[in-house]
This record gives sequence, structure tokens and C-alpha cells, in this order.
Amino acid sequence: ELKVEQNPLFLSMQEGKNYTIYCNYSTTSDRLYWYRQDPGKSLESLFVLLSNGAVKQEGRLMASLDTKARLSTLHITAAVHDLSATYFCAVVTSYNTDKLIFGTGTRLQVFP
Amino acid sequence: GAVVSQHPSWVICKSGTSVKIECRSLDFQATTMFWYRQFPKQSLMLMATSNEGSKATYEQGVEKDKFLINHASLTLSTLTVTSAHPEDSSFYICSASKGKTEAFFGQGTRLTVV
Repeated sequence: ELKVEQNPLFLSMQEGKNYTIYCNYSTTSDRLYWYRQDPGKSLESLFVLLSNGAVKQEGRLMASLDTKARLSTLHITAAVHDLSATYFCAVVTSYNTDKLIFGTGTRLQVFP
Repeated sequence: GAVVSQHPSWVICKSGTSVKIECRSLDFQATTMFWYRQFPKQSLMLMATSNEGSKATYEQGVEKDKFLINHASLTLSTLTVTSAHPEDSSFYICSASKGKTEAFFGQGTRLTVV
């Protein structure tokens, strides 16, 4: 059974600081996603990572994937308040499907 | 881009009544749709996979007689919560898939059962 864990669960950080969120998954998968969720809202797609060593960047966020270690990271550079949200990683359960198992989520709070 | 519309955005109903939630893919045909449930401050839990023209596949622990899913066309799937109770209050989110690419999420429906 595929399990997806995120660490930390909650993160409070000062503006301007850097931090990394980790996502571990238990079985092989060919796709990993990162999503952002604001309170009371649905999911906003941030990144999709398809292969080992994949790295994608958008603004202050950078995501990477290590399929051998079954680990993905979401790195935050010089955090700003607008990044405050909950971040989820999600992994497809098997090939030829879009069925996702979500991580536990990381609630990020950025303060001045 | 691919747009998935969910309706209603929020609903309040009395205990014992049924509620129907619609999920539509507006600009593409979705062979598969997924229904998720999210309790406050928790992650999304997959409830069921809905394929057009066939019965839905439910995840373990999800009561198929309580959560009725119909996928009558390539652009519409519905989730009906039957005989709703306060413990069914949750945020329900659907996603629609074009194939083995990416699933696109609806806006979500907040259900409150009083």
C-alpha cells in the first residue's frame, strides 16, 4: 500500500528565510505532484515531477525528485507572507492512472 | 488549460436528507474522475474512482451505498451523499483526468449537515 509522508507538518518561518519541505513515499511511482491549498479553497497545481533528478522552479519555490530514495523536496527561498498556505505532495498509485495518494500536508506560516 | 467545475460550492442540509454534488469538465472529456474528502486540517483522502459508463470503484472503508457516484457522460460525474449525518460534514473535491497526464481539480464543495 502506497503511503506518503511529509515533514514537517507545520512550519512557522520568518520572511526572508529559506526552508525545505520533505515528501517521502513508500513504493515506486512515475509521477509526483506538489499542490498549494489556501484556507477554504481547492488545490492549485505547483509542479509535476516525472523522472529521477527532475528539478523545477517557479518564483521562490523549487521542487526536486529522487526516485531512488523515493523523496521529493520543496525548497522555499527568501520566504514572503504570500507563500503562507498548506502544501501537499501527491503520488500516483500506479502507472497509467491519475489516482493520487496525498501526503499529510505541511502548513506554512510566514511572519514578518 | 483544463477547467473542472464543481457545484455547489457550499451546501447546508438537514440530517437525514440527501445532497448531490456535480463535477463537470468544461473543456475536455474526462474518462476518469476522482472524488476526495478532506476533513478540517487534514489531508485529502481518495473516496472513489469514477469511470464513464461503469460502476465506480470505492476505496476501502468508503460506503458505496452512502456515497452514490454516477458518471453518466464524459463531462459529468455526480456524488450523492445519502441520508447525510453531521459526521459527513466535510470538504469534497473532485478531479478529472484526460488520461495519463494530469488530473485537474474542481473548486471543492463544503458540506455542512445540521
